[in-house]
Amino acid sequence: SYELTQPPSVSVSPGQTASITCSGDKLGDKYACWYQQKPGQSPVLVIYQDTKRPSGIPERFSGSNSGNTATLTIGGTQAMDEADYYCQAWDGSTVVFGGGTKLTVL
Amino acid sequence: QVQLQESGPGLVKPSETLSLTCTVSGVSLSSGSYYWSWIRQPAGKGLEWIGYIYYSGSTNYNPSLKSRVTISLDTSKNQFSLKLSSVTAADTAVYYCASLFSYSTSWYLAHWGQGTPVTVSS
Repeated sequence: SYELTQPPSVSVSPGQTASITCSGDKLGDKYACWYQQKPGQSPVLVIYQDTKRPSGIPERFSGSNSGNTATLTIGGTQAMDEADYYCQAWDGSTVVFGGGTKLTVL
Repeated sequence: QVQLQESGPGLVKPSETLSLTCTVSGVSLSSGSYYWSWIRQPAGKGLEWIGYIYYSGSTNYNPSLKSRVTISLDTSKNQFSLKLSSVTAADTAVYYCASLFSYSTSWYLAHWGQGTPVTVSS
């Protein structure tokens, strides 16, 4: 079965750029998306189709996908961005999630 | 706007069947705009996709749960449902329903319900 691997945690200072990676075999040949989940809340889609932002998602959220790695980048990170982030892809027959990354804004 | 709301028992006994319903508003299940999906999340852990159903009635399940899962559709009520049989404590989780959008090979969960916690315990 297809697997997506994320670092368990990432820390960033307020105002700095946070990068969260998601690795999978030839992931660049697939489309990746990203969800943000704050404590006690449902996940929210923040990036789809590798690079696109849904309506209402701030411009500081961006995405890329190449080779074996997709990356979610948050520019000018704010305290409100502290959350768990999950990548997700379609492996041809099923939805696959990464294990999630806890972003801490120190 | 598309909204989803889960409902069902919060407590299920071991070996019994977990049954949840998702009520959708803002879009007709029959429109074919989305695949209708279930996802779960044990406390403190990550997301696990359970499966989806399309307006045509076609289904697709996570292989790890396939033998115990049934997802069905009631277009007259604009609802879809999840049944998970022979539950154990390992099935204790928050269960989410969501709309799954597909474009070419891009698949993503566009809208999520608020989630409903289910505990498996005697």
